[in-house]
Amino acid sequence: DSGVTQTPKHLITATGQRVTLRCSPRSGDLSVYWYQQSLDQGLQFLIQYYNGEERAKGNILERFSAQQFPDLHSELNLSSLELGDSALYFCASTKDPTGASSAGYTFGSGTRLTVV
Amino acid sequence: AQTVTQSQPEMSVQEAETVTLSCTYDTSESDYYLFWYKQPPSRQMILVIRQEAYKQQNATENRFSVNFQKAAKSFSLKISDSQLGDAAMYFCAYRPTYSGAGSYQLTFGKGTKLSVIP
Repeated sequence: DSGVTQTPKHLITATGQRVTLRCSPRSGDLSVYWYQQSLDQGLQFLIQYYNGEERAKGNILERFSAQQFPDLHSELNLSSLELGDSALYFCASTKDPTGASSAGYTFGSGTRLTVV
Repeated sequence: AQTVTQSQPEMSVQEAETVTLSCTYDTSESDYYLFWYKQPPSRQMILVIRQEAYKQQNATENRFSVNFQKAAKSFSLKISDSQLGDAAMYFCAYRPTYSGAGSYQLTFGKGTKLSVIP
């Protein structure tokens, strides 16, 4: 157990629907990163939050949004889902926004999203 | 923009033998970190080894070691005495030490699938 908890582990939904993925960072970590892993694109950075505030955006679609709550857990909202959104979604946490104080990033086990 | 390239989509190694996974990267920065992550079938991303660019000495973690060639922008992973449990996807990743944008996300290569033959 890495200490980063992602729920649910698996999610199957239909096109056009909306889903919410949840991430609880490791205890003491303030920064959360979301990544999308697909077969053709590999691991792509989506968005980062630090202590409740958005820090950076990567290749995140406008249909996707995220937030980090006062208890530091984060949610990734995916709406108007398309077949191409099927992927593994990871979150990772670090103690500070740079990640320099840790041995790297601690990843959760991911949420497997299947859009049918 | 930084890019990370892993040119070997798949590799195999006999149990107890040594294998080397390749990674090259492109950056204009002089300070950065490089990582190797392992993703077994359980899909958990596990940090294998980390290298800081300002350190000339190659990082080592038990059976895992790297060959870091800064001028060539090359960062290969050597696995010695390969074990069945080493079978996994291996990802090379990069992040800058300093970021004017204030974000320190990892840039990943597309991975190398390693099979270990008993």
